[in-house]
Amino acid sequence: AQSVTQPDIHITVSEGASLELRCNYSYGATPYLFWYVQSPGQGLQLLLKYFSGDTLVQGIKGFEAEFKRSQSSFNLRKPSVHWSDAAEYFCAVGRNYGQNFVFGPGTRLSVLP
Amino acid sequence: EPEVTQTPSHQVTQMGQEVILRCVPISNHLYFYWYRQILGQKVEFLVSFYNNEISEKSEIFDDQFSVERPDGSNFTLKIRSTKLEDSAMYFCASSGKGLQPQHFGDGTRLSIL
Repeated sequence: AQSVTQPDIHITVSEGASLELRCNYSYGATPYLFWYVQSPGQGLQLLLKYFSGDTLVQGIKGFEAEFKRSQSSFNLRKPSVHWSDAAEYFCAVGRNYGQNFVFGPGTRLSVLP
Repeated sequence: EPEVTQTPSHQVTQMGQEVILRCVPISNHLYFYWYRQILGQKVEFLVSFYNNEISEKSEIFDDQFSVERPDGSNFTLKIRSTKLEDSAMYFCASSGKGLQPQHFGDGTRLSIL
């Protein structure tokens, strides 16, 4: 069965600083990988996805993620964080279309002014 | 941009009562899902639905739960006899044909008293 870990429960960065959120997955076949963001009291918004091809994927709001098969990782990055990026970030892995996602436990991002 | 809508945004129910959570998926989507998120915990898969039947369900989705797509637009989750531990945020999601990400609604916060 697939699983997802996000080693950092809570990260605090200063506005304008760079950001990297870690995600590691366990899955025997080619994973389909996603990052979602959840603002307080809100639903899950898709930031970006990886299905195949270029291992560096671009998403919305200036985020990008890199798939590294050798490390079973799909880390999320942003070169310069804005205060509005403060939220909970979830990494998820899917197996195939129509099948459920498995979510990581989430990383809460706080941004200092 | 089309979105998944969920009603109500907050539902308060007495323990033992039945509750129905409603979702309107994106109109041309084929796969439908329910997830839940207990406060402070990760998002957990409940059930997926395709072609008018359950395609996959988790251990959480026991006999107290049921899903229905009664009229071709709504997708409902029913809990027959609610328990305190059913208190959570419930998310509906849908996805289209082929390899597509799941799009989530803003969730229904269910509070069991």
